[in-house]
Amino acid sequence: GAVVSQHPSWVICKSGTSVKIECRSLDFQATTMFWYRQFPKQSLMLMATSNEGSKATYEQGVEKDKFLINHASLTLSTLTVTSAHPEDSSFYICSASLTSGTYEQYFGPGTRLTVT
Amino acid sequence: DAKTTQPTSMDCAEGRAANLPCNHSTISGNEYVYWYRQIHSQGPQYIIHGLKNNETNEMASLIITEDRKSSTLILPHATLRDTAVYYCIVRVANNNDMRFGAGTRLTVKP
Repeated sequence: GAVVSQHPSWVICKSGTSVKIECRSLDFQATTMFWYRQFPKQSLMLMATSNEGSKATYEQGVEKDKFLINHASLTLSTLTVTSAHPEDSSFYICSASLTSGTYEQYFGPGTRLTVT
Repeated sequence: DAKTTQPTSMDCAEGRAANLPCNHSTISGNEYVYWYRQIHSQGPQYIIHGLKNNETNEMASLIITEDRKSSTLILPHATLRDTAVYYCIVRVANNNDMRFGAGTRLTVKP
């Protein structure tokens, strides 16, 4: 199956700093990528849909100025958590979708963010 | 997207078949049933999907009822590594939107 990578796999940062997470589709082109957030013992919650070459679409309740998404190429999307606070500590997961055939989504391994 | 209902948790003996049910009584005619699983602290892994016919791949089988209001994911010979949360999701194939419910926590026991 298609492979999606994320970097870093985990990061610890101080409150008030910004953190960038990269999501790459390694063996296919993805015009659309997705960012999810998962708190402990909860399910994945869709944060935003990232479209190559255009602005991301954010889910209700997700602050677009806090979670900056850039999808500059068909294989790379980035999520920047700006002015991070402890409540932003979570597991962030990206996915990329095939744009033909069966359209299944392939997920990255996730990034564990801890804000101290 | 149609809402799905899954049992919160299930146990299965190692080597036995694991049958995970999913109810999706409000599924629309153009919505597929997708199954993913998430092993602890990893990203979700695609398992299988189908529209109305039963499907089988190297990981699992998907049985969809004739009225499409429910389905069952079958892991034919569960191993300890199959312990995970299994998510049943229904969505239109070319609608990239995919939303996760609570899923079923499957524990395979020796």
